[in-house]
This record gives sequence, structure tokens and C-alpha cells, in this order.
Amino acid sequence: GDSVTQMEGPVTLSEEAFLTINCTYTATGYPSLFWYVQYPGEGLQLLLKATKADDKGSNKGFEATYRKETTSFHLEKGSVQVSDSAVYFCALSDRGKAAGNKLTFGGGTRVLVKP
Amino acid sequence: DGGITQSPKYLFRKEGQNVTLSCEQNLNHDAMYWYRQDPGQGLRLIYYSQIVNDFQKGDIAEGYSVSREKKESFPLTVTSAQKNPTAFYLCASSLLLNTEAFFGQGTRLTVV
Repeated sequence: GDSVTQMEGPVTLSEEAFLTINCTYTATGYPSLFWYVQYPGEGLQLLLKATKADDKGSNKGFEATYRKETTSFHLEKGSVQVSDSAVYFCALSDRGKAAGNKLTFGGGTRVLVKP
Repeated sequence: DGGITQSPKYLFRKEGQNVTLSCEQNLNHDAMYWYRQDPGQGLRLIYYSQIVNDFQKGDIAEGYSVSREKKESFPLTVTSAQKNPTAFYLCASSLLLNTEAFFGQGTRLTVV
């Protein structure tokens, strides 16, 4: 079945450091890929998405490129802020599935940015 | 404003009691979902529905039940058969197949 693997956290960084969170996936169809962010005690917010190979999703300084050859969708940000402290989830939705748009999530990566 | 509303935000339940979590959306989305999140864990799918009066089990449906009588509502009942119900529950909806899902703010259920 479909699966998403993310690097385990927590990831602790200083402000203005470069952030990378690795994400790899397994899917049988043609997945769309997503990054969601969860702030403490809240639901998930869509951060960015990519729907086909070589697409680059970007938002709020974050970027991720859909790499079909390596089945990866790594999240990057060049200069993090304290406000970026959150849990980040990589997810996929497989268009090849007939069973609806349910998302498969990675385990989440907690990021802590220190001033 | 359009969005998904979950209520209540915090819920306490005694062992052996059923409890229903509310989820309402005004986004005119066809599909709705319930996920469970345990501390430090990812999200696991409980139930989902693609259309009114139809729903399917997700990966961890045992001990839960749902209904979809209206397009905008997808309540989740946590029954006494659920062995470990304490968790954070998230409701989501999406417009079409393979579009992004929008999430509610979650309900934290604690069994006391």
C-alpha cells in the first residue's frame, strides 16, 4: 500500500538557519504530494503541494520539488524564523486509487527554532 | 468565512460511555474524513465519506461509527468498544478527488 516516510525529529535550529526535512514515498498510482504544518493544539494547514513529477510547490519561503525518480518530496526553507516552530507532515493522495482522496501521512517532524 | 468547524475543542468522557464529536463544513465539499492523532504520532484514518449517505472504513475504524445524512455534516461517535479512545481527533474535507484536504481545529478527547 501507499506509505510516506519522514525524517524523525525533533529538529532544532537557530534562527536564520537552513531547514531541510526529508520525505520519501511509496505509491502504486500517480500521487499528489503535500506538506502540512501543525502549530501546537491546532489542526493541520496546507503549506504547499505538487501534483506531478518535477512540479515545485512553494509558500511562505518553503519549497519542495516532486522527484519521481527518487520518490521524494523534501521540504526546504533558506532562513527559518522562530514562528516556523511547528510539526510538519508530508502526505500523499494517490489518484490511481478508486477509494477517494484520503491522504496518507508521514509520522511528522517537529521543528524547533531558537532565537 | 468558509471552513470546517469541530466541536467541542476539549471533551472528557467516562469509561463505558459513547461520545459524539461534531464536524461541520460550509465549503460545499463532497468528501469528508476523520483522522486520529496520538502524541508524537502521525495521522491515522478512521472513516471517510465521498458522498451523502455513504461512508467507508479507514485503517482504524474499530470502536468508531459515523453518519453522513447531510453534505455539510460528518459526526463521529466514539463508542465504548474503542479500547484506547484518548487522542486528538481531526476532521477534514476536500472538494474533488486528489485535491488538498482542509482540516478543522481538532477535538481533544480524554477518557477519565
